[in-house]
Formats: sequence, structure tokens, C-alpha cells
Amino acid sequence: NAGVTQTPKFQVLKTGQSMTLQCAQDMNHEYMSWYRQDPGMGLRLIHYSVGAGITDQGEVPNGYNVSRSTTEDFPLRLLSAAPSQTSVYFCASSSGTGTNQPQHFGDGTRLSIL
Amino acid sequence: AQKITQTQPGMFVQEKEAVTLDCTYDTSDPSYGLFWYKQPSSGEMIFLIYQGSYDQQNATEGRYSLNFQKARKSANLVISASQLGDSAMYFCAMRGRDTDKLIFGTGTRLQVFP
Repeated sequence: NAGVTQTPKFQVLKTGQSMTLQCAQDMNHEYMSWYRQDPGMGLRLIHYSVGAGITDQGEVPNGYNVSRSTTEDFPLRLLSAAPSQTSVYFCASSSGTGTNQPQHFGDGTRLSIL
Repeated sequence: AQKITQTQPGMFVQEKEAVTLDCTYDTSDPSYGLFWYKQPSSGEMIFLIYQGSYDQQNATEGRYSLNFQKARKSANLVISASQLGDSAMYFCAMRGRDTDKLIFGTGTRLQVFP
């Protein structure tokens, strides 16, 4: 039972490089989201999707792109990495947008930008 | 706009004692859900407990209970009979009916000592 799978687990980039963080879920969940976690700031929502072909911005979307071509996958793209994007990134999914739906999280990707 | 406030950056509790972690929230949504997550030092996010805004009774899950006071907009997590394995970061989160987004507080670090 894989749940939400994030790859890679760790990554080091140089400023200006591009990268895609992968997220896949096998629970047929409609709702998927990306968060970043920084010390003292909790988890902040970057982008989210309520279904294939539909995405929207969260609290901190600048510098990130997403797409949702399938129900299973929700990749996060950094087009030109900046040191301020050094963080731990979490992908999450839930079966719907109902207020009683907890989100299931992947194990996170620790990203360092030099 | 939605907001979650956790005012306790750190808490200490002795093993086998109970501890309360505070959470207050603000929202204009008429219907919403409140969630607590645990993040151990290994980094994963673990869903603990859920409370709906229209639920008449406080939620309970094993040693976890949620002290929900709607008029005060508070949703405090109570952990009974603390164990050493409860040492972790704890996050309060909220999801509104009309917003689709799960918003997190900044977290409380709980340390359980023998």
C-alpha cells in the first residue's frame, strides 16, 4: 500500500537550475496539494488541484509551476531555483474537498539550493 | 481568510501525564473541519484526529481528544498518559467548505521526559 510517493527524497541544486519534484498517489484521490515547510513557519500551501486538468494557487505560488494531467500524478516544477526555495517539500492527497477529508502526506523531499 | 494560531512553540510533559496543545482559528466559512497532525523527528506527517464544526461531541481517538470550543474558536489537542514516543511536532490545521485549502499553524514541539 504505497499511498503518496515523492521522489527524490533529497536533492541539491545550484541557483538557476530547474527541477521537477515528483508526486504520485495510488488511492484514486481527486485532491492533491504541495506544501513547503520552513523552520518556524509550519506548512505553507504552494499549489493544489481538485482534479485532473484543474490547478490553483496556494499561499506561496511564486517560482513554482504545477500541472495535473492524470489523477495519480501532480509534479511540482522549479523553473529557476533560488536559495529562498531551500526547504522541505510535501505532497499530499485526499479523496475529496470535503471538510472532513484528512490529507495523506508523502515522506517529503528535502531540497537545498546553493 | 483562514488562519490557524498555535501560541506554544514548545511544551514539556512528564511521561504518563496529560498535556494540552493549544490551537485557535479564524474563518468566515460556515462549515469547516479541524485536524491535528504529528510530525516525529523522522519527518513524516501523521494524521491524528478530526473535528467537524457541526459535531456536537468532542472527537476522541485513543489517547487523543480534541477540546472543541466553537464560540471561542479553539480546538485544543489533549494527549492523555503521555509516552516518550509522543515527542514530536504537532500541527493544527483547518479546511473550510468554501476554500478547498488545508491551512496549517506553525506547530508546537512537545517533549516528553521520563
